[in-house]
Amino acid sequence: NAGVTQTPKFRILKIGQSMTLQCTQDMNHNYMYWYRQDPGMGLKLIYYSVGAGITDKGEVPNGYNVSRSTTEDFPLRLELAAPSQTSVYFCASSSGQSYNEQFFGPGTRLTVL
Amino acid sequence: GEDVEQSLFLSVREGDSSVINCTYTDSSSTYLYWYKQEPGAGLQLLTYIFSNMDMKQDQRLTVLLNKKDKHLSLRIADTQTGDSAIYFCAEIPPHGSSNTGKLIFGQGTTLQVKP
Repeated sequence: NAGVTQTPKFRILKIGQSMTLQCTQDMNHNYMYWYRQDPGMGLKLIYYSVGAGITDKGEVPNGYNVSRSTTEDFPLRLELAAPSQTSVYFCASSSGQSYNEQFFGPGTRLTVL
Repeated sequence: GEDVEQSLFLSVREGDSSVINCTYTDSSSTYLYWYKQEPGAGLQLLTYIFSNMDMKQDQRLTVLLNKKDKHLSLRIADTQTGDSAIYFCAEIPPHGSSNTGKLIFGQGTTLQVKP
């Protein structure tokens, strides 16, 4: 199993541009999450999904959108990039069973200039 | 509030014990977690403790849970340079539930291990 994969690894955007961060998992997990990590701030939940066709907002959803058309994929869309969205973005998935371990992708480092 | 609090930095010498502390918010959290993040990588679950336990030991790792004070600690015995990483504690948020799997993470403690 590849686990959770994210693309791209790095990206530089200009203010106002848009992009989609891709996330795929091959563990047949129902639950998927998008976080952003800023230095010294830990991880903040942007959006999450408990299954295909179901998404909900986390702590910091403004400026982002998601979709979940399949169990495997959970893309994160930035419509009008702003410098405040410069961050490292992590996608994670979990089965929702037992102690519900979350499995993380390697992250996407995004810079908005 | 919903903040999980950790100190930001800890430096130890190789071979010493490390103790990383965390205060959490919801005494009804079912599970509490410690995740480890190595440089340039995503987080990986290190260990977890069920809320009806006071202590959990796993090789060099000891987790202590004080529910009265909402305090969680992670002790790493015989700390090695390979333990250098950021350590995050996490809990299920207040009024959250296991059917979303959502977690609140602390800010992370950077552990520096000097040879």
